[in-house]
Amino acid sequence: NAGVTQTPKFRVLKTGQSMTLLCAQDMNHEYMYWYRQDPGMGLRLIHYSVGEGTTAKGEVPDGYNVSRLKKQNFLLGLESAAPSQTSVYFCASTPGGLGGANVLTFGAGSRLTVL
Amino acid sequence: DQQVKQNSPSLSVQEGRISILNCDYTNSMFDYFLWYKKYPAEGPTFLISISSIKDKNEDGRFTVFLNKSAKHLSLHIVPSQPGDSAVYFCAASAQTGANNLFFGTGTRLTVIP
Repeated sequence: NAGVTQTPKFRVLKTGQSMTLLCAQDMNHEYMYWYRQDPGMGLRLIHYSVGEGTTAKGEVPDGYNVSRLKKQNFLLGLESAAPSQTSVYFCASTPGGLGGANVLTFGAGSRLTVL
Repeated sequence: DQQVKQNSPSLSVQEGRISILNCDYTNSMFDYFLWYKKYPAEGPTFLISISSIKDKNEDGRFTVFLNKSAKHLSLHIVPSQPGDSAVYFCAASAQTGANNLFFGTGTRLTVIP
């Protein structure tokens, strides 16, 4: 069982470049999330999706865009990367939202460095 | 402002002893609390949770205690094992079906053989 798979695992960008992080889940989960983890801070929600074709902003959405064209995939895009976006990015999914018995299943993370 | 706080960045414990990881929160609307465990180069994995209607939940060697009046929860690991060495994140949500979990900054637990 693959669970949640993130690609790429590592990427180095120059300021101003664009890139897309791909998240794929094989658990038929409705909800998908993108978090970032920075030193001295907890995981913070960037964007999320409550189903195919839907997206919504989280706590720190600025500078990112997302798309959920297929239920199993959730893409995170950086149109013009900035050094402040250097972080470890985690994708996660749940069957039906957060709270209660619905716990997040995370991917292994994507480490992004913006020079 | 951090709504979920883990004030101890690290903790070292001898194998076989008890590990106690602490978490404080500020939002009285939080009603569900979770602990996640993270090994290096892996994503966090769910460990144990507790609803605000309870004050204790136990799963094998892991017990979570909730003190609502103090807005404090703790994770007890007894006995601690070297394989428990990881970063532990506390998380909280305000309602079932909520669209965000608020995470603490994590505590790195090292269990010394």
